[in-house]
Amino acid sequence: NAGVTQTPKFRVLKTGQSMTLLCAQDMNHEYMYWYRQDPGMGLRLIHYSVGEGTTAKGEVPDGYNVSRLKKQNFLLGLESAAPSQTSVYFCASTAGQGPGELFFGEGSRLTVL
Amino acid sequence: KQEVTQIPAALSVPEGENLVLNCSFTDSAIYNLQWFRQDPGKGLTSLLLIQSSQREQTSGRLNASLDKSSGRSTLYIAASQPGDSATYLCASSNTGTASKLTFGTGTRLQVTL
Repeated sequence: NAGVTQTPKFRVLKTGQSMTLLCAQDMNHEYMYWYRQDPGMGLRLIHYSVGEGTTAKGEVPDGYNVSRLKKQNFLLGLESAAPSQTSVYFCASTAGQGPGELFFGEGSRLTVL
Repeated sequence: KQEVTQIPAALSVPEGENLVLNCSFTDSAIYNLQWFRQDPGKGLTSLLLIQSSQREQTSGRLNASLDKSSGRSTLYIAASQPGDSATYLCASSNTGTASKLTFGTGTRLQVTL
């Protein structure tokens, strides 16, 4: 099993450009999450999904949109990138009704110039 | 709002030493608490998960404890090895928001020869 796969792993954007990060999991997990990790601030939840077709806001949702059209995929979109969105983005998934063991992707490093 | 704190932010120990990493949280209504390991440039790997009804979990040289009344969890690493060098993060999920985790900022551990 591949587990949780994120694409792309690296991306450089100019301010105002848009892009989509893709997260795919092959474990049939219900819950999926997008976090951002910044130095000294830990991981902060951007958006999450508790099942196909559902999404919910996390702690820092502004400037991001998400979609969960298929159970195995969770997309994170930036419509108009800003330098403040320079970060490392992690996708995670877990089975069950609440977070059991969380499985993470390798991360996507985004730089916005 | 749950706040998770990890002290110290960094720790250096000689190989073979037993050590304890600390995690404290403000809201004792824990659903579960997880410990993760993160290697530089990589995603997080789940080490141990403690349910709210449990006091501790063990995996090999790792032992994690949970004391909800005092708002603390500890990760004990026995006979540390250079390969244990990494950042260790704890995260809690709380009843009522069981689908979301709040992360600490981590303790960066270096085990020296």
